[in-house]
Amino acid sequence: DTEVTQTPKHLVMGMTNKKSLKCEQHMGHRAMYWYKQKAKKPPELMFVYSYEKLSINESVPSRFSPECPNSSLLNLHLHALQPEDSALYLCASSQERGGAETQYFGPGTRLLVL
Amino acid sequence: GQSLEQPSEVTAVEGAIVQINCTYQTSGFYGLSWYQQHDGGAPTFLSYNALDGLEETGRFSSFLSRSDSYGYLLLQELQMKDSASYFCAVNSDTNAGKSTFGDGTTLTVKP
Repeated sequence: DTEVTQTPKHLVMGMTNKKSLKCEQHMGHRAMYWYKQKAKKPPELMFVYSYEKLSINESVPSRFSPECPNSSLLNLHLHALQPEDSALYLCASSQERGGAETQYFGPGTRLLVL
Repeated sequence: GQSLEQPSEVTAVEGAIVQINCTYQTSGFYGLSWYQQHDGGAPTFLSYNALDGLEETGRFSSFLSRSDSYGYLLLQELQMKDSASYFCAVNSDTNAGKSTFGDGTTLTVKP
């Protein structure tokens, strides 16, 4: 099983809403990632979890709050977002957090903030 | 810092061969990856090169020259379904194990 799943597929939220994005993998990978991707742009790294601990936070605003409940799950909690936060949010996983690791991406959540 | 350069757009016809180049600047280089992304889809891994030379996987091959800080993705026998964006990504020990992506090359395959 080389699948990373993400829910929901699409999300529309107002600027005062609180919502969560979910990601799951059952490949036994120990590193999980959140990326943000705008149209026609490359994925931008937001957070990296390694062995369920946050190892990289790319200076992401606090309105984005990651959580790793266990080695298979990764959440991204959203609160008081801005319209410019509308984007495709991608989750990925890899065997380890290291230089040679292939990342497997989920299908993404397409987020629209009104 | 790190930087990657790849062409923004490439156009080719069905059945042809196309090469997408990627040059990079980094220190502590581990390897170069290639990802394919169709419109509306997620990136999917194509290949990874850590050592110099050519890696072949079916119609796709990837090449790396560490001394030249250069790699390319070669797509043979192009099919319409190969129309997509292609990203090179570099892994190095200076970026704590994360991948830094190039801006992507949009490949359009015409009949």
